Amino acid sequence: GAVVSQHPSRVICKSGTSVKIECRSLDFQATTMFWYRQFPKQSLMLMATSNEGSKATYEQGVEKDKFLINHASLTLSTLTVTSAHPEDSSFYICSARKGRGPPVGGNTIYFGEGSWLTVV
Amino acid sequence: AQTVTQSQPEMSVQEAETVTLSCTYDTSESDYYLFWYKQPPSRQMILVIRQEAYKQQNATENRFSVNFQKAAKSFSLKISDSQLGDAAMYFCAYRSATYGSSNTGKLIFGQGTTLQVKP
Repeated sequence: GAVVSQHPSRVICKSGTSVKIECRSLDFQATTMFWYRQFPKQSLMLMATSNEGSKATYEQGVEKDKFLINHASLTLSTLTVTSAHPEDSSFYICSARKGRGPPVGGNTIYFGEGSWLTVV
Repeated sequence: AQTVTQSQPEMSVQEAETVTLSCTYDTSESDYYLFWYKQPPSRQMILVIRQEAYKQQNATENRFSVNFQKAAKSFSLKISDSQLGDAAMYFCAYRSATYGSSNTGKLIFGQGTTLQVKP
């Protein structure tokens, strides 16, 4: 099956600094990647949709300037949390969409392992 | 906009017994996909089963099966012969089958149901 790798799996950063999380599709090209945030015992909240070669589409209420998303290649999308604060501490998970056009077959989305961010 | 609702925050089942997790959704689309994902303590998202809306036959994957009621917009998951390894958080998810600027293939998740399996 397709593999999506997310790095780092855990990161601790100081308040006010920036931290970058990478999401890579290892064996397929992903024109679209998705970034989610998950609080303990809660659902996955879609933050933004990342499209290769274009600007990300952010969900309502998500600060674009705080959560910078870059999808510079067909296998890599990055999420940068800028000027991190303790309330940004959370589990961030990415998924990558294999293929283009209509989602024929349904299951063309693959998840990374997730990244725990702790801001101290 | 589409929504997915899981009304059972927590469920428990005795090992070897059967349990059903509920999910309802709301959409005006006629063509879409529905999924059940399992998220164990490792937090890795694992696809359990998927259902295409145009198929009337309920999907089955070994001990996992669904009851898909399109008119009622209901999509429940039945786990038979429950095992300790089934303990996890389960998410119901919706995905549009169309593709465009408003439908990017994203998954819309329900709130999740935490399943406890008792030995």
